[in-house]
Amino acid sequence: DTEVTQTPKHLVMGMTNKKSLKCEQHMGHRAMYWYKQKAKKPPELMFVYSYEKLSINESVPSRFSPECPNSSLLNLHLHALQPEDSALYLCASSYRGGGFDTEAFFGQGTRLTVV
Amino acid sequence: GENVEQHPSTLSVQEGDSAVIKCTYSDSASNYFPWYKQELGKGPQLIIDIRSNVGEKKDQRIAVTLNKTAKHFSLHITETQPEDSAVYFCAASQSPRETSYDKVIFGPGTSLSVIP
Repeated sequence: DTEVTQTPKHLVMGMTNKKSLKCEQHMGHRAMYWYKQKAKKPPELMFVYSYEKLSINESVPSRFSPECPNSSLLNLHLHALQPEDSALYLCASSYRGGGFDTEAFFGQGTRLTVV
Repeated sequence: GENVEQHPSTLSVQEGDSAVIKCTYSDSASNYFPWYKQELGKGPQLIIDIRSNVGEKKDQRIAVTLNKTAKHFSLHITETQPEDSAVYFCAASQSPRETSYDKVIFGPGTSLSVIP
C-alpha cells in the first residue's frame, strides 16, 4: 500500500463555517505534511508532524489548525477562512524512521473553495 | 532557507524529441533531490530522485543529473510521448535521518507540452 488518502476531494465552505480535512496513510511513515497549492504555483509547506508531534509551522494563520491523532492520521481543521484561502490542500507522508529514508508520497488533494 | 529555481517555466516539444529541465538550489545542506510530475487535478507524483552521493540516475526514458559543486540538477526525458505532458517540479530537501522529516522545497514548476 503506497497510498495517501485525502477526504473530501472537494469542499465548498462559507467564511463562518468550521470544517476539517482528513488524511490517512498506512505505510508506517513517521512524518506527515500539509501543503497548500494555488493555481499554477508549486506546493507550499504549511505544517510538518514528525512522530506525531508538530515540528514545523510555516507561520500559518491560526484559522488553520492541524492535528495528528495517531501515526496514520492527519487532520486540518478550518475555521473562519477567507476567499483567498481557496486552494488545493495536499497531504504527504514520508520517512519510515530508524534511518530508513523513503520518498514523500502525496495524496490527490482536497480542492477547497471558500465563498 | 532553501530556494529552488527552475527553468524553463514552459516547454513545448515534438513527440519523440527530448526535454530537459534545469534547477538550481541554494542550501549546500540539501542532499536529496526529487522530481515530481503533476497532472491536472491530481497530487504530485514522484518520478525519479537522486541523492547527493550520486551524480546521475536513470530510469527508462527519464534521467537526472546532479552537480553538487555548482548546485545544479537536471531532468532529462527522452523519446517524449503525449502522456508526458504535465507540470514537472524539481525539489530539494535534507535527509530525514538528520531531521526525522523531509522539508521538501519545490521549484516553481515547468509546464511540459508534448505535441503529437
